[in-house]
Amino acid sequence: DQQVKQNSPSLSVQEGRISILNCDYTNSMFDYFLWYKKYPAEGPTFLISISSIKDKNEDGRFTVFLNKSAKHLSLHIVPSQPGDSAVYFCAASYGSSNTGKLIFGQGTTLQVKP
Amino acid sequence: EAGVTQSPTHLIKTRGQQATLRCSPISGHTSVYWYQQALGLGLQFLLWYDEGEERNRGNFPPRFSGRQFPNYSSELNVNALELEDSALYLCASSLLDRANVLTFGAGSRLTVL
Repeated sequence: DQQVKQNSPSLSVQEGRISILNCDYTNSMFDYFLWYKKYPAEGPTFLISISSIKDKNEDGRFTVFLNKSAKHLSLHIVPSQPGDSAVYFCAASYGSSNTGKLIFGQGTTLQVKP
Repeated sequence: EAGVTQSPTHLIKTRGQQATLRCSPISGHTSVYWYQQALGLGLQFLLWYDEGEERNRGNFPPRFSGRQFPNYSSELNVNALELEDSALYLCASSLLDRANVLTFGAGSRLTVL
């Protein structure tokens, strides 16, 4: 049962344009969402997060939007840079109850072309 | 500051053998997590240790086990290896009160032949 889904395995955008990565979830009990970025041969690194009490969180070029009614979140990268090329994972947790468990999507490979 | 370190980087075993993977967390982090990333799949939660105790485990059979040592390092043991255990095993650490923000190691690639 895939509770967090990233339906686009890959995305290619031109440098300077916007990258939009999408993520859907099924469990309405999730109350904290995160994005991680992974380069080859490295572990995933935390990028940005959002609590379910918010609908938007911004950090520099990265913005995460949360639509609770649609159970959908998206990561916007503006402007995209070649160094952003990586695999992006969204993850969800029951943040208010500390289970230590993150539920990850399958990942989306972003390629930013110079 | 050293990051999360894992060893070995690669490990090749045959079916039925046992594998042991090791992890050293970031200094000051008491929580250690283990995730499995099989080919084409997302990260699957395996185990969470804090202060030497197993706090939670994912939906994996009992042949996946581990422990956390007094210095907060951890090891993951996989007994009676099966072909489908071939995967990247990622260790992460965090402060207990920031359990969502994990710092991952580069992983150990286990291949079962």
